[in-house]
Formats: sequence, C-alpha cells, structure tokens
Amino acid sequence: KNQVEQSPQSLIILEGKNCTLQCNYTVSPFSNLRWYKQDTGRGPVSLTIMTFSENTKSNGRYTATLDADTKQSSLHITASQLSDSASYICVVSQGGSEKLVFGKGMKLTVNP
Amino acid sequence: NAGVTQTPKFQVLKTGQSMTLQCAQDMNHEYMSWYRQDPGMGLRLIHYSVGAGITDQGEVPNGYNVSRSTTEDFPLRLLSAAPSQTSVYFCASSYRGSWNTEAFFGQGTRLTVV
Repeated sequence: KNQVEQSPQSLIILEGKNCTLQCNYTVSPFSNLRWYKQDTGRGPVSLTIMTFSENTKSNGRYTATLDADTKQSSLHITASQLSDSASYICVVSQGGSEKLVFGKGMKLTVNP
Repeated sequence: NAGVTQTPKFQVLKTGQSMTLQCAQDMNHEYMSWYRQDPGMGLRLIHYSVGAGITDQGEVPNGYNVSRSTTEDFPLRLLSAAPSQTSVYFCASSYRGSWNTEAFFGQGTRLTVV
C-alpha cells in the first residue's frame, strides 16, 4: 500500500533552535517528494520538490534531504523563527500518474 | 496574480442540502484537483481533471460531483450533504508540462454539515 509516514507528530522548540522532521514512504513507483508548509487556516505551500537523483535541496533556512534507497526524507529547519510555526506535510508523487500521496503532517510550534 | 481562488471560505449546511464549492485559477494550468483534509489524516483526493472536459474520480469521490467546462474553473458539487462531509476542502492546480511541477493550493473552504 502506498503510504507516507511522518515523525514526530508534533514538536515544540525555542526560537533560534534547529529542528529536523522525518518522512518515510512506501510509494511506488516513485516520481518525486515534496515538502509543504501549511499555516493555520491556509492552504499548503510548496517548500521543495526533489527527484530521485537529488540528495539535498535548500530553500532559505529549509534544507530537504532524500535517500531514495531507504525511502526516507528529512526537512531541516535552521535558526527557527516564530513564523515557522505551522504544519509540515511530506508528499510523494507516484510515477506514471498525477497522484499525490500525503503524509498526515506534523505540527511545529516555535516559542519565543 | 490571484493563483487559486476558492469560495466560500466558510459554509454551514443542513443535512440533505446541496451546494457548490467554487475553484478558479488564473495560471492556465491543465491539472486541477479537489482534496478534503480531516483531523489526523492526510489530504485525500476527491476528484481531479487533466483538462477541460475531462474529469476522473479520486480516492473518496462518493457524494461529490465535478465538471470542467473551462480551463480556469473546477467546481465541486455536494449532492446531498451529510455530516461525514464536514471537512476542509482544498482545490489545487498544476502545470502538466513536467512531472515534477509544483501544485498550488487555494485557501480552503471549511464546511460544516449539521
């Protein structure tokens, strides 16, 4: 079954600290992996899209890694800010179709 | 650039009522889709369209209808609302020129069925 699992489910950190979010997937065939940020009451916004040949991709303070062999990805947030408080969703695109398989998301809270 | 626009943002329906959730995009994207987001679950695909005049069912299509008469618009119709359809609904669009293009989401419609 095509699944995307995220951990932890929630995380509370202090402003300025770093954190890493994890994503494991079983989607096959694999096309690409995406990380989305969803602010409360808003729609998801794309942070990165990674193909199987990309190991690392950065977007400002966000750095995503992908290990296609172990089917794992991580999203590292550096020097967190209050505005990073949101849900982060890992999404895997299934090859050969337009279908996106969504993780349940994890809630990050950054406290001052 | 408006992107993906959904209306209304909030709606309360009585069981059995029907309504249409509107979705419009101004990016000339071929691919549009509807998702629902429920607590503790990932977004689930309801219906999608790969172009005007072409629609198909997603993972949870029962109780919903769609049509795609233009590239810009992709309305979602609830035929007879049920409490199980209480959810947040998101419309998304993307360009189909490449398989790794970004999907753009609307702001969502929070629907409550009482």
